Amino acid sequence: QVQLQESGPRLVTPSETLSLTCTVSGGSINNYYWSWIRQPPGKGLEWIGYIYDSETINYNPSLKSRVTISLDTSKNQFSLKLSSVTAADTAVYFCARGSVGYYYMDVWGQGTRVTVSS
Amino acid sequence: DIQMTQSPSSLSASVGDRVTITCRASQSISTYLNWYQQKPGKAPRLLIYAASSLQSGVPSRFSGSGSGTDFTLTISSLQPEDFATYYCQQTYSTQGFGQGTKLEIK
Repeated sequence: QVQLQESGPRLVTPSETLSLTCTVSGGSINNYYWSWIRQPPGKGLEWIGYIYDSETINYNPSLKSRVTISLDTSKNQFSLKLSSVTAADTAVYFCARGSVGYYYMDVWGQGTRVTVSS
Repeated sequence: DIQMTQSPSSLSASVGDRVTITCRASQSISTYLNWYQQKPGKAPRLLIYAASSLQSGVPSRFSGSGSGTDFTLTISSLQPEDFATYYCQQTYSTQGFGQGTKLEIK
């Protein structure tokens, strides 16, 4: 059974870069889309972006200038970097596995709360 | 960008009721539409993919329909564990979620 686990700092200083890693266990990282999604406190879901391989990456246009998603197949991990953060980036960040074809996300991490504050 | 609009934003219903939630896309998305259930403090759970396909392990009281711009999620007979927030998601072009529908106990 595939499981995902987010890890990274829970507190980030404004203007710095938020960095999170999602570790995939119980299955291969190949042949799936790997996504990041976030949810600000009390609000809805926002898709951040996905990666399939080094040439297939797609970002939410509203975040594109600040986001980088990368893949490390040797470690079965993928990562998120969000630069120049502000308080508006405070949220629960989820990683998820997406299917080829319809891109539905069938496996999710538990989420990690990241607060942007000085 | 494709905008997804869910209605209603909130809904009160009783155990045993039949409930329908609607999701409308600002342009045609074929059947690139998925539904998720989220409970407080938990990650979303996939219910329906490709507009009408039931995810493995999801009870058959959940069903989805629609194509193009108009989609529905139906719960045929509400159970206590179904009270949650539901989101639609389009994956036709640069993915996006609806704003959510909070289903509460009447």
